[in-house]
Amino acid sequence: DTEVTQTPKHLVMGMTNKKSLKCEQHMGHRAMYWYKQKAKKPPELMFVYSYEKLSINESVPSRFSPECPNSSLLNLHLHALQPEDSALYLCASSPTDRQGDEQYFGPGTRLTVT
Amino acid sequence: DAKTTQPNSMESNEEEPVHLPCNHSTISGTDYIHWYRQLPSQGPEYVIHGLTSNVNNRMASLAIAEDRKSSTLILHRATLRDAAVYYCILRDVGTGGFKTIFGAGTRLFVKA
Repeated sequence: DTEVTQTPKHLVMGMTNKKSLKCEQHMGHRAMYWYKQKAKKPPELMFVYSYEKLSINESVPSRFSPECPNSSLLNLHLHALQPEDSALYLCASSPTDRQGDEQYFGPGTRLTVT
Repeated sequence: DAKTTQPNSMESNEEEPVHLPCNHSTISGTDYIHWYRQLPSQGPEYVIHGLTSNVNNRMASLAIAEDRKSSTLILHRATLRDAAVYYCILRDVGTGGFKTIFGAGTRLFVKA
């Protein structure tokens, strides 16, 4: 199984809502990633988890809160978002976070903040 | 952060080879060169990566210049399914590990 799954596929939320994005992989990968992608732009790295520990936070606002409950799961908790946070949120995993490792991406969650 | 430069777009005819260039003049000795592609409405997909030597896999070939300041992704026979945005990436060292910094990418159009 070489698949990264993400739920939900689409999410519409108001600025006062709290919601969570979920990502799952069963490839035994020990590195997991969150990216944000705006329309017609490349993905931008948000967070990196290595062996369930947060190793990189790219100065992401605190209204985005990542969580890695175990080696297969990665969550992104959302609270008090702004309309400009509307984007495609991509999850990825790789065997480790070493330079030469290939990343497997999920299909993304398309988020709209109203 | 390591940077890559790619043409905004390229066009190819179906069943012909495609050479997608990438400049990375600030590359350091330990940077790997990665290529990913993103088809419409999908997440990025790994294509190939290399360090110094040319690399081949079932999807493509990667030709790396001797000074490593540029590389070329080669699709041997383009198909309509290869129409996508192709990203050339250097993985950069961050304070906690390696970061993947996507460049702007090249949008490949394939004509039937």
